[in-house]
Amino acid sequence: KQEVTQIPAALSVPEGENLVLNCSFTDSAIYNLQWFRQDPGKGLTSLLLIQSSQREQTSGRLNASLDKSSGRSTLYIAASQPGDSATYLCASSSNTGKLIFGQGTTLQVKP
Amino acid sequence: NAGVMQNPRHLVRRRGQEARLRCSPMKGHSHVYWYRQLPEEGLKFMVYLQKENIIDESGMPKERFSAEFPKEGPSILRIQQVVRGDSAAYFCASSPPGVYTLRSTGATQYFGPGTRLLVL
Repeated sequence: KQEVTQIPAALSVPEGENLVLNCSFTDSAIYNLQWFRQDPGKGLTSLLLIQSSQREQTSGRLNASLDKSSGRSTLYIAASQPGDSATYLCASSSNTGKLIFGQGTTLQVKP
Repeated sequence: NAGVMQNPRHLVRRRGQEARLRCSPMKGHSHVYWYRQLPEEGLKFMVYLQKENIIDESGMPKERFSAEFPKEGPSILRIQQVVRGDSAAYFCASSPPGVYTLRSTGATQYFGPGTRLLVL
């Protein structure tokens, strides 16, 4: 049974810092690994998707890596901004699309 | 192209009543997933449906919960005889047909804004 864990649960940083969010999963037989952003009271926005055959994906200031052998993914956020404050969720996907989510990391970027 | 729509956005029910949550997938999407986010917990998969078929309901509670995705109209998540422990945010997501065989590099699921259910 797949389990997804995110560390840390919460993070507070000053504006401008680079930061790394961690995600680990127990079953390496994943279809892909996705990172989402969730703002309070809102739905989920997909940030990055890494296929199982890929090692990283980049979008703007975001970079996500995937190491299937160690069961880990990281989300790197460069030059953080107050608008980045949100909860970040990683999720592993099976080939049917079923997503298994971590508990999330709640990020606060202070101006 | 409108996104995934869910209604109502907020629903208040008393214990023992029924709750019906609706999800209209994005245009052209024939796969629907329901997830539940309990307070202070992460999102948990509930059920995966295609038009007129339940594909995977491994996350659905055994009793009181049911889901359907008819040929016409929205997907419905139905909770009978609600209890306080059912209070949560319920999200639905949709994806287009074939995305998991086409190995899309884009987002595979698009989420709705959720329905916040409060059971008094």
